[in-house]
Amino acid sequence: ETGVTQTPRHLVMGMTNKKSLKCEQHLGHNAMYWYKQSAKKPLELMFVYNFKEQTENNSVPSRFSPECPNSSHLFLHLHTLQPEDSALYLCASSQQTSDRLFYGYTFGSGTRLTVV
Amino acid sequence: AQKITQTQPGMFVQEKEAVTLDCTYDTSDPSYGLFWYKQPSSGEMIFLIYQGSYDQQNATEGRYSLNFQKARKSANLVISASQLGDSAMYFCAMREVSGSARQLTFGSGTQLTVLP
Repeated sequence: ETGVTQTPRHLVMGMTNKKSLKCEQHLGHNAMYWYKQSAKKPLELMFVYNFKEQTENNSVPSRFSPECPNSSHLFLHLHTLQPEDSALYLCASSQQTSDRLFYGYTFGSGTRLTVV
Repeated sequence: AQKITQTQPGMFVQEKEAVTLDCTYDTSDPSYGLFWYKQPSSGEMIFLIYQGSYDQQNATEGRYSLNFQKARKSANLVISASQLGDSAMYFCAMREVSGSARQLTFGSGTQLTVLP
């Protein structure tokens, strides 16, 4: 069990459904991230939250809507998805410090999403 | 342009042998960090090793070492004495301090299979 927990582990949803992915970290980190991992493609950064504020949105379609109510929790709300959105969605957290180049990212085990 | 290139989609190694996984990167930022992650079939991304651009010595962590050749912009991962549990996807990643990759940016990965 890592310090970053993602639920559910697997999710199958229809294109008209609304669902949410949840991520929780108990590491005291101040930054959280959503990554998308599709088959045969590099991990793609979707969203970045730093101290609960969204600092990056990498041209993600509006059918993906993130929410960060506090520094320990991150959600990804999904609605009217497409089959090409099927992927592994990984959450990560880190302790960002401006005076250090290295800060490791701790990842969760991911949610395997299938859109039918 | 690709920031991180991993040219080996798949690699095989005999148990107890050493293996090198290749990674080249592209950056004009003098300050950057290079990371290697392991992803077993369970999906979790596990941090292995880190090399900073100003580090004089190659990083080592147990059986993992990073062959850092700054002029060639390469950061190859060397795994010594391979074990069956090393079979997984391996990702090289980079973070720049001031460039476009201020967040962790990943390569496409190498699938390593350790043979008994």
